[in-house]
Amino acid sequence: QKEVEQDPGPLSVPEGAIVSLNCTYSNSAFQYFMWYRQYSRKGPELLMYTYSSGNKEDGRFTAQVDKSSKYISLFIRDSQPSDSATYLCAMSENDYKLSFGAGTTVTVRA
Amino acid sequence: EAGVVQSPRYKIIEKKQPVAFWCNPISGHNTLYWYLQNLGQGPELLIRYENEEAVDDSQLPKDRFSAERLKGVDSTLKIQPAELGDSAVYLCASSFSSGRENEQFFGPGTRLTVL
Repeated sequence: QKEVEQDPGPLSVPEGAIVSLNCTYSNSAFQYFMWYRQYSRKGPELLMYTYSSGNKEDGRFTAQVDKSSKYISLFIRDSQPSDSATYLCAMSENDYKLSFGAGTTVTVRA
Repeated sequence: EAGVVQSPRYKIIEKKQPVAFWCNPISGHNTLYWYLQNLGQGPELLIRYENEEAVDDSQLPKDRFSAERLKGVDSTLKIQPAELGDSAVYLCASSFSSGRENEQFFGPGTRLTVL
């Protein structure tokens, strides 16, 4: 069993819909949680960075962390075709070692 | 501000040939990472540098892979000889040190194809 599990999708939604992405993990020592966006043939771009449990909002993006359930989520409101990408979750204890999910591929249809 | 720069972006070689990738991190970031990303997977750490010192190379296959970061700025990752299974994207990332190492910024990667 992988340390971080992420449904690879693919996920296809109409423009304007809410995109819901999630990851589960097994290491209870993880404290930092990140979401990266990766466009085709590009490197991962840091989208959201959160510490411990709770919610964080940045524009159309909301990240949620539930440490008791070992579950994190990313919501994208009012999705746009430009949001079409692969979204990777990543997490770490308290150092540089990031454990990544496999990524979920999202397509937003115009 | 310029991001992480990598070159070349694409490389196609025959097996058993050598290959090298170059990375220039974000200015002011003294920690540099090389990652390997296979298709449909998340990045996996190969090596981490603090300035010019390789402080974690436990995942680097040292029989064929080597890396250097002279002067603590840009870095080179080399594979010699390349094998078919080395086909992947090689990503470079950088971060500040001192408690912010998990906030890493990635370059565009070098896509390697070994024929």
